[in-house]
Amino acid sequence: SYVLTQPPSVSLAPGQTATITCGGDDIGSKTVHWYQQKPGQAPVLVIYYDSDRPSGVPERFSGSNSGDTAALTISAVEAGDEADYYCQVWSSDSARIFGGGTKLTVL
Amino acid sequence: EVQLVQSGTEVKKPGESLKISCQGSGYTFSNYWVAWVRQVPGRGLEWMGITSPQKSETRYSPSFQGQVTISADRSISTAYLQWSRLQASDTAFYFCARSDGLGNSRYFDLWGRGTLVTVSS
Repeated sequence: SYVLTQPPSVSLAPGQTATITCGGDDIGSKTVHWYQQKPGQAPVLVIYYDSDRPSGVPERFSGSNSGDTAALTISAVEAGDEADYYCQVWSSDSARIFGGGTKLTVL
Repeated sequence: EVQLVQSGTEVKKPGESLKISCQGSGYTFSNYWVAWVRQVPGRGLEWMGITSPQKSETRYSPSFQGQVTISADRSISTAYLQWSRLQASDTAFYFCARSDGLGNSRYFDLWGRGTLVTVSS
């Protein structure tokens, strides 16, 4: 089963740039998607196909993917960005398609 | 409005059966696969399986194969997740999600609000 590894938590002050990583063996050869989940709510897609943004997602959100690491970058973080973030790759044969999640705290 | 509407909170006893639903609206339901995702409170997201309303085809995560049944009825734009014998460890939130993308690039662009299932004696 393919394993996606995310840091459990990232903390930073408002206005700083957050980088949330998603590690996996040669993940750069796969397509990575990212979700934001706020407390008590369903996940929301924020990045798909490594770096595309769905309509309505601020330009502050961007994605990259190369080698063994994919990343979600949130520039000029705001209090409203506090949430859990999950990376995802697709495989119908795998028990795991989501990373473990990263809790973003805006101090 | 494009949305997935899930059935309400369930409280069941161990050994009981259950079927929860997810109805799509605002789009052509049969054109998209629908997945189910489990989230134990305080934990991460776990993919359970995915079904095609058009092809009547379902694939399961190895972790959930044989534990649940996923199906869809395209005539009423509804997907289902069912258990024949619930266990306390099935206590969780269950989300349905519309799947877009092709081949090895599937992603989930529309989510239901989740159904809380509590299994307790």
